[in-house]
Amino acid sequence: NAGVTQTPKFQVLKTGQSMTLQCAQDMNHNSMYWYRQDPGMGLRLIYYSASEGTTDKGEVPNGYNVSRLNKREFSLRLESAAPSQTSVYFCASSEEGGLAGTDTQYFGPGTRLTVL
Amino acid sequence: AQTVTQSQPEMSVQEAETVTLSCTYDTSENNYYLFWYKQPPSRQMILVIRQEAYKQQNATENRFSVNFQKAAKSFSLKISDSQLGDTAMYFCAFTGGTSYGKLTFGQGTILTVHP
Repeated sequence: NAGVTQTPKFQVLKTGQSMTLQCAQDMNHNSMYWYRQDPGMGLRLIYYSASEGTTDKGEVPNGYNVSRLNKREFSLRLESAAPSQTSVYFCASSEEGGLAGTDTQYFGPGTRLTVL
Repeated sequence: AQTVTQSQPEMSVQEAETVTLSCTYDTSENNYYLFWYKQPPSRQMILVIRQEAYKQQNATENRFSVNFQKAAKSFSLKISDSQLGDTAMYFCAFTGGTSYGKLTFGQGTILTVHP
């Protein structure tokens, strides 16, 4: 039982390049989330998916797109990377989020992304 | 919109002693959940403890306990018998109302436990 896995662990991009961050969970959770962590600002929600087939914007969605490929996988895409997107990115999942109530979110190990 | 504030950027404590980390939040919701997450140097986010707002009893989890003051909108974390492995960044987080399932985090407190 690996929990939440993320790939890659580290990535360096040049401005304008694109890339996709991958996330998968093996806990049969319905809800999945993408956060970014910047120094002194805690974690901020980029996008979330309450259930398979649905996605919605969080606090800081600009410059990102997401795909809930299936129940297990939730990817985050940067179409044209900018230095302001240099951050640590975390994926998380929970059994049931949204209006059904809330429960604990389990986090992946994070991806450190640098955009030059 | 909800906000979460951690006013202590850094704290330190001697091994085996007790330390309290502060967190305040602002919300108009009546039903919500509060969490403390720990982030050690490995960067992994680990749930420490959670509190449901409708429960008056403070949550406890082994050496970790909270002081939840709903009227004051305060949610502090007490770590007893501090251990070197407690050295980490600690985040307070909130979810509730129309934001159920989505966490709002505070800025974090770096805790260092000294031998």
